[in-house]
Amino acid sequence: ETGVTQSPTHLIKTRGQQVTLRCSSQSGHNTVSWYQQALGQGPQFIFQYYREEENGRGNFPPRFSGLQFPNYSSELNVNALELDDSALYLCASSLDSGGVDEQFFGPGTRLTVL
Amino acid sequence: AQSVTQLGSHVSVSEGALVLLRCNYSSSVPPYLFWYVQYPNQGLQLLLKYTTGATLVKGINGFEAEFKKSETSFHLTKPSAHMSDAAEYFCAVRPTNFGNEKLTFGTGTRLTIIP
Repeated sequence: ETGVTQSPTHLIKTRGQQVTLRCSSQSGHNTVSWYQQALGQGPQFIFQYYREEENGRGNFPPRFSGLQFPNYSSELNVNALELDDSALYLCASSLDSGGVDEQFFGPGTRLTVL
Repeated sequence: AQSVTQLGSHVSVSEGALVLLRCNYSSSVPPYLFWYVQYPNQGLQLLLKYTTGATLVKGINGFEAEFKKSETSFHLTKPSAHMSDAAEYFCAVRPTNFGNEKLTFGTGTRLTIIP
C-alpha cells in the first residue's frame, strides 16, 4: 500500500509568481486536505476536497485554490505569491467512511518565496 | 471556533523519565482530540485519538493521553522516555459534526531527550 506522496519536495519562487503543488492520496482514499505549516507553528487548514468538490475551507484568501482529480490526487495552486507564503505545505488523505477517519499526511513540500 | 493551547514550546526530559506534554482545548462542545508526532523533514503521524468512550486512550510507541472534560485537557504521557521520542508533538481537535474533518492544531511542543 503506497502512502501519501507530494511533489516537489522543495521549491523556490519569487514574489508575484504562481506555484502548483501536487499530492497523491493513499490508495482507496477519497478525501484530501491541505495544510500550511509556517516555521515554528502548527499546521493551518487551507481546504479539503471530497470526491472532486471543495468541502470546507480555512481562513485563506482566494489566491489559494485547489483541485481534486478522478483518481483522488490533488493540486494546490497559489497565485501572486507573497513572502509570508513561505512554509511547509502538507497534504493529508483519508477515507470518508462516516466515522472518525484518520488523516494520513505526506512529507510535505517546502516552499520558499524570495 | 475551536482552538488548542499547548503549554511549553520546548520540553526536555532525561532518558527513562516521565514524558508529560500538555494540551488544553477551547470548544463549545467537546471535540474529537488527537496527538500527532512530526520527525524532522517528515509529515505528521497519528499517535492516538479520543472520540468517545474510555477517557484514557493508548497509542503507539507507549504513549497515552487522558481526556478530562472538566479541565478541557488532553495531556500526553509516556512513563519512560526513549531517545527515539525526540520530535515535535502536536495536539489537534476536530469538530464532531459529520463530514467536517478540519483539524485545528496547537503550535507544537518540541521534545528533547537528554541521554
